[in-house]
Amino acid sequence: AQSVTQLDSHVSVSEGTPVLLRCNYSSSYSPSLFWYVQHPNKGLQLLLKYTSAATLVKGINGFEAEFKKSETSFHLTKPSAHMSDAAEYFCVVSGGGNKLTFGTGTQLKVEL
Amino acid sequence: SAVISQKPSRDICQRGTSLTIQCQVDSQVTMMFWYRQQPGQSLTLIATANQGSEATYESGFVIDKFPISRPNLTFSTLTVSNMSPEDSSIYLCSVEWDSEGGDEKLFFGSGTQLSVL
Repeated sequence: AQSVTQLDSHVSVSEGTPVLLRCNYSSSYSPSLFWYVQHPNKGLQLLLKYTSAATLVKGINGFEAEFKKSETSFHLTKPSAHMSDAAEYFCVVSGGGNKLTFGTGTQLKVEL
Repeated sequence: SAVISQKPSRDICQRGTSLTIQCQVDSQVTMMFWYRQQPGQSLTLIATANQGSEATYESGFVIDKFPISRPNLTFSTLTVSNMSPEDSSIYLCSVEWDSEGGDEKLFFGSGTQLSVL
């Protein structure tokens, strides 16, 4: 069994400040973990993926995430938020086969 | 990367009718999936579309309600049958695509926003 918990349903930051979107997971297998972003009226876009290689994963648009097995966490960060980062972000776990389990999403708001 | 075209992008349907959603990929892919995203909720896997055989449905989803076709490696359809307002959701097609480096990635279509009156 596998599950993922996104700890914040909404996050609001000012432009130019750091972003932290939190995600905890559980999995019976060695998991693959993903972050996807969904802009309004757009499809889901893969930001980054962890598959048991380096624990710090760099993704697109300046995002990165760190896999911490001891904390069962995979938090998404970005040093400086941009207005274009406003979107919904999904943490996803794949623990076996091709089945993905999605978190409930975090809506990121970026203010001037 | 794989480019996915999903049609229609949105539709408003009457209760009791059916809607077929199409998913076209610009490359041959082995794995295609259909997801549902209900309002305010996360994505839920409906089924895996298997080429040349019946789709594999997740718990809570049945073929009579969500028939799926996969005639070849680049195309699939999902039909939402005998619709009710509870079927109002975004339906997304997804494919697993292997990059040249052997790194598998999932790509998603832009979704079909379905509203049932």
